[in-house]
Amino acid sequence: GAVVSQHPSWVICKSGTSVKIECRSLDFQATTMFWYRQFPKQSLMLMATSNEGSKATYEQGVEKDKFLINHASLTLSTLTVTSAHPEDSSFYICSASRGPTYQETQYFGPGTRLLVL
Amino acid sequence: AQSVTQLGSHVSVSEGALVLLRCNYSSSVPPYLFWYVQYPNQGLQLLLKYTSAATLVKGINGFEAEFKKSETSFHLTKPSAHMSDAAEYFCAVSGPYGGSQGNLIFGKGTKLSVKP
Repeated sequence: GAVVSQHPSWVICKSGTSVKIECRSLDFQATTMFWYRQFPKQSLMLMATSNEGSKATYEQGVEKDKFLINHASLTLSTLTVTSAHPEDSSFYICSASRGPTYQETQYFGPGTRLLVL
Repeated sequence: AQSVTQLGSHVSVSEGALVLLRCNYSSSVPPYLFWYVQYPNQGLQLLLKYTSAATLVKGINGFEAEFKKSETSFHLTKPSAHMSDAAEYFCAVSGPYGGSQGNLIFGKGTKLSVKP
């Protein structure tokens, strides 16, 4: 159990367009979902935390108007990169947990690689 | 502030040799500790986690880690490396600090190479 999927796995888009990435918990209800960004050969950096039905909490330095997060149900969260630019190219990974506390294990999706031309 | 330090960005072992990946943490309160593995172009897979129960934690794929409070360490070991163990390994900590919602703080990762 505890499987998390992401779609798409790869996306290439032109500069200025918007891209939506979906994160789904397939076999459990995810009260909390997290979005991370990973640059090549670096660790994961948390972008934002979202609880179902609430507004996302963004980490310092992450533009909330650029990275729109919606957590409309207990199994789906979406990240929309608005007006994407080449510097937004990265590997985006989501994770999901059954609860909002630190005791809950985060289960990670396979990631989405975004390339903005 | 809480932090995780992984000593050695790259570790190379021979197939069949002992794997030792080091992780030290700093936390003012008892933490939860995790080891994740990432294969190329994939997300993270949970290897094992420490949640203040037994100090020696056994995980998947023959890995285990020991929580040593006196050393603030949570090193990952495997008695005999296999070629399929070649991947990036991340140590992470979470805890009841700063009002976080279970946010994980990751180390920078250690790339494990296994030589035939």
